[in-house]
Amino acid sequence: KQEVTQIPAALSVPEGENLVLNCSFTDSAIYNLQWFRQDPGKGLTSLLLIQSSQREQTSGRLNASLDKSSGRSTLYIAASQPGDSATYLCAAPLGGGNQFYFGTGTSLTVIP
Amino acid sequence: GAVVSQHPSWVICKSGTSVKIECRSLDFQATTMFWYRQFPKQSLMLMATSNEGSKATYEQGVEKDKFLINHASLTLSTLTVTSAHPEDSSFYICSAITGLGFKETQYFGPGTRLLVL
Repeated sequence: KQEVTQIPAALSVPEGENLVLNCSFTDSAIYNLQWFRQDPGKGLTSLLLIQSSQREQTSGRLNASLDKSSGRSTLYIAASQPGDSATYLCAAPLGGGNQFYFGTGTSLTVIP
Repeated sequence: GAVVSQHPSWVICKSGTSVKIECRSLDFQATTMFWYRQFPKQSLMLMATSNEGSKATYEQGVEKDKFLINHASLTLSTLTVTSAHPEDSSFYICSAITGLGFKETQYFGPGTRLLVL
């Protein structure tokens, strides 16, 4: 069964802390992986896309890494801010097809 | 980068009415579009795959007569929820690929929240 798992389900940190969100997947042959942000009651925003040939991608305070062999990706957020509070989802096409499998997300709360 | 838009972003309707959600690829031609839905506390799940000019392929458990998908052009796919009921309330998101290559990047729309009263 193809699956994407995110741990922890929820995380609360004080403002200014650096943090890491984890994502694991069951298919080591994925060709890319995406991290998204979802705000309560709002839509999905794509944060970072990592192709299988890349090991990491950076955008501002965000850095995503990809280790296909171990089936893991991490999203690193530096110097967290209250505005970073949201649910973070990772997703990847598993099993060789185009269907994306999403994790259930990590709900992040950054406390001022 | 490629952009996918959805309209509306939010819709509230009465039980028994039909609702149409549009998914557009703004700066590329999408031969294939995908529709996902998300129920509370659950991950997004694929509902159907639509290819331009042909019938959609539905995932197991998705009622094709209830969720009508039309992909009439290379930049537009629509999802119509017919005779909507409160249990259809969900977050619906579409994505698109050009279909011109293998292992393409998939671009996601922002999603549409549907609330059926």
